[in-house]
Amino acid sequence: QVQLQESGPGLVKPSGTLSLTCAVSGDSVSNSNWWSWVRQSPGKGLEWIGEIYHSGSSNYNPSLKSRVSISVDTSKNQFSLNVNSATAADTAIYYCARGSSWYTAFDIWGQGTSVTVSS
Amino acid sequence: QSALTQPASVSGSPGQSITISCTGISSDVGNYNFVSWYQQHPARAPKFMIYEGNKRPSGVSKRFSASTSGITASLTISGLQAEDEADYYCCSYAGGNYVFGTGTKVIVL
Repeated sequence: QVQLQESGPGLVKPSGTLSLTCAVSGDSVSNSNWWSWVRQSPGKGLEWIGEIYHSGSSNYNPSLKSRVSISVDTSKNQFSLNVNSATAADTAIYYCARGSSWYTAFDIWGQGTSVTVSS
Repeated sequence: QSALTQPASVSGSPGQSITISCTGISSDVGNYNFVSWYQQHPARAPKFMIYEGNKRPSGVSKRFSASTSGITASLTISGLQAEDEADYYCCSYAGGNYVFGTGTKVIVL
C-alpha cells in the first residue's frame, strides 16, 4: 500500500531554515498526483502549506508563499519542504500528503513529524 | 485566504445523527465542487472521509454522508458511535490552493 514518511530535524533555531523530506513508497511521485505539505500548530487546526507536481510545478498558501519552497526528487521518490526565516509560529506537526488527482483531495497522509522552533 | 468556518464542537448520544457545517466564500466552497472531509483522532494523522462534496472513498462507513449548498458544506454522521469521537475538518479547493476548516470536535455523550 502507499505510505508516506516524513523526516527531518525536530528542533530549528529562530531565523533558521526548517527542512523536511517525505519519502514515498508504494507509489511514484512521477504519477499523476500532486504532493502536499500540511501543518498543525499545537492545539490548532490544519493549514495547507503547498504542493508540487513531478514536473516541478508548485502552488503555495498565499500567506506562506514568501518563505516556503517545495521541491521533488523523482530519482529518490521523495519531495521536500523548506521554510525560511523560521519563528515560533512555525512550531507544528508537519504532515506530507498525496493530493489525489482522482479525488482532488488528500487521500494518503504521513504519520506527521513534530518540529519546534526554539533557541 | 481565511479558514472555512466550522462549529467548535458538536455532541450527540450513541445512535443519534449529528451534522457539522462548514462555511466558506464564493471563491472556495461556492465556486468549486471539491470539498473534502477528514477525521482526526488524538495524536493521529487525518483520515480521508469524503471527496467532491458528497462521495465516500472505498472503506469509509455509509454512516458518513455529506452535501454542499452554496457556500456551505455539511457532514452528517448517522448512528453515532463511540469511535466517531474525533476532530473533523472540511477542506475546499480554491483555485491553485486549498483551505481547511477551523475544525469541529465531535463528542459522543
